[in-house]
Amino acid sequence: QITMKESGPTLVKPTQTLTLTCTFSGFSLSARGVGVGWIRQPLGKALEWLSFVYWDDAKVYSPSLRPRLTITKDTSKNQVVLTMTNMDPVDTATYYCVRKHPQSAADYWGQGTLVTVSS
Amino acid sequence: DIQLTQSPSTLSASLGDRVTITCRATQSIGSAMAWYQQKPGKAPKLLIYDASSLESGVPSRFSGSGSGTELTLTISSLQADDFATYYCQQYETYPWTFGQGTKVEIK
Repeated sequence: QITMKESGPTLVKPTQTLTLTCTFSGFSLSARGVGVGWIRQPLGKALEWLSFVYWDDAKVYSPSLRPRLTITKDTSKNQVVLTMTNMDPVDTATYYCVRKHPQSAADYWGQGTLVTVSS
Repeated sequence: DIQLTQSPSTLSASLGDRVTITCRATQSIGSAMAWYQQKPGKAPKLLIYDASSLESGVPSRFSGSGSGTELTLTISSLQADDFATYYCQQYETYPWTFGQGTKVEIK
């Protein structure tokens, strides 16, 4: 059984750095083709893809957010960490950790974690 | 970036209705499309991948079709559990992009 779970702060101040951790189970991030990453959703709005890290440590980022994002993996701990710098109130959203199937879409999602950016 | 436009944005339907949602892309995505269902306060759930492949455990009343720039999600007979918001998403190229969503409401 595959599970994904997000953890991190629920409230950050403007200009601070957000660090989110995804802890997963039921698969290995060393399996060929597998990726883990992040998608966010402001309240009442559509989904926005942020980043993936792959089994071979390849990384892809949203071009619009690339200067602010860093994604890393710890295969031994089954964890992926996303950092986002210079947080702004417009970054307030639910952040989801997802698994990317080797040949297709995001097939497993965490429950999401709501991050509010406010002073 | 590839832009995806879903239509309609809101759909009012009755139990047993056949429902079709369309997703149009600004350039060809081949069959690299997924459809997700999202209920309030919950994470999206994958329904369809590769445009027409049914994810394991998803009821067969859901189907996907099309390729290129126009793809569709069809629910053959709407059930109470299907009232939700549906999103299309392309994975043909990065950045992944999503449609704006279609809310299926009770008529």
